[in-house]
Amino acid sequence: QVQLVQSGAEVRKPGASVKLSCKASGYTFTSFHMHWVRQAPGQGLEWMGIINPSGDSTTYAQKFQGRVTMTSDTSTSTVYMDLSSLRSEDTAVYYCARDSTYCASASCPFDFWGQGTLVTVSS
Amino acid sequence: DIQMTQSPSTLSASVGDRVTITCRASQSISSWLAWYQQKPGKAPKLLIYEASSLQSGVPSRFSGSGSGTEFTLTISSLQPDDFATYYCQQYGSYWTFGQGTKVEVE
Repeated sequence: QVQLVQSGAEVRKPGASVKLSCKASGYTFTSFHMHWVRQAPGQGLEWMGIINPSGDSTTYAQKFQGRVTMTSDTSTSTVYMDLSSLRSEDTAVYYCARDSTYCASASCPFDFWGQGTLVTVSS
Repeated sequence: DIQMTQSPSTLSASVGDRVTITCRASQSISSWLAWYQQKPGKAPKLLIYEASSLQSGVPSRFSGSGSGTEFTLTISSLQPDDFATYYCQQYGSYWTFGQGTKVEVE
């Protein structure tokens, strides 16, 4: 069965960086794009970017360009999301989410999600 | 960027009620719309894709409709497990979520 298992909670000071991981299993890793979505406490969902694990091509939401880097490691079926210059507003749960199997357009909804990783940014 | 606006933000309902949530896109997205359910402390769950297609394993009391800029999610008979927050998502041009609709006990 498809599983996305994310790394554990992180605490960082403002200005620092954080690198999160999302290990995929149960499907062909390179066949589905992966997204990162975040959710601040009590708030809605915010799309951050997408990575194609087959070739590492990426597209980032304009809001995060220059601060986010997404990479993948096909040998371990893991995607990574590195967010730099952290500020308190980056405190959130970060999710990885996979493109859906049922995708009739150039873009797809998300059918499997990781369990989320809480990142707390505080001095 | 395409903006998604959901209404209402909060909805109070009882078990057995018919519930409807609306989502409006700032420009046409054809049928490239999905609905998710999220419970506290959990990841979102895909319910509906392509505006009206039911994701595998999702109960048939959930249905979606609409195209262009106006979409609805309907729960035909609300069940205890359905009290949650619901998000629409457009995937016609990048990806954007609505702000969410919390369905709470009346």
